[in-house]
Amino acid sequence: DVKVTQSSRYLVKRTGEKVFLECVQDMDHENMFWYRQDPGLGLRLIYFSYDVKMKEKGDIPEGYSVSREKKERFSLILESASTNQTSMYLCASSLKGFEQYFGPGTRLTVT
Amino acid sequence: QKEVEQDPGPLSVPEGAIVSLNCTYSNSAFQYFMWYRQYSRKGPELLMYTYSSGNKEDGRFTAQVDKSSKYISLFIRDSQPSDSATYLCAMMDSNYQLIWGAGTKLIIKP
Repeated sequence: DVKVTQSSRYLVKRTGEKVFLECVQDMDHENMFWYRQDPGLGLRLIYFSYDVKMKEKGDIPEGYSVSREKKERFSLILESASTNQTSMYLCASSLKGFEQYFGPGTRLTVT
Repeated sequence: QKEVEQDPGPLSVPEGAIVSLNCTYSNSAFQYFMWYRQYSRKGPELLMYTYSSGNKEDGRFTAQVDKSSKYISLFIRDSQPSDSATYLCAMMDSNYQLIWGAGTKLIIKP
């Protein structure tokens, strides 16, 4: 079974802090994604990566950056956390385009 | 207007009922249509997918696509309390990205 793990289930940070969310997949997938999920808005794509050291902006990249130094690891960085970044963050990986495997999510609260 | 519209619910039905979940979309170029299921405190998981128009059945679940009406449905027969979850529709665009609905929260009452 594909396993996608995320570094934290719950995280509380203060406004202005730098935040790192890490994601690791164990199935040698090329593609990795970061989404945020908010009530009524569904999943919105922040960044994605089709290969090591490669990244592409999604629909809402502002305030975020990513790093992919190794194939299995995709990190999301909030350079200076703000309260409007309070959300559920979901990481996913895939081999085929539409079949994405998700981690359990990190619920981030910025106070 | 969003590209994919989905009623967030919640939709509450008694055990054993037939459930109908729906999404509408505006982009006629979508070819792949997916349904993901998300249990509480978990990530979404792919339940079913359909290419182009038509029906696809998997046990108690049937996915239906009507491209002429830009409307997709997921039917659940003999619904069980274990089917209680949020169901998200998703569609693939020409850039191979998934466009997601907001998700419908389904509650099956024993």
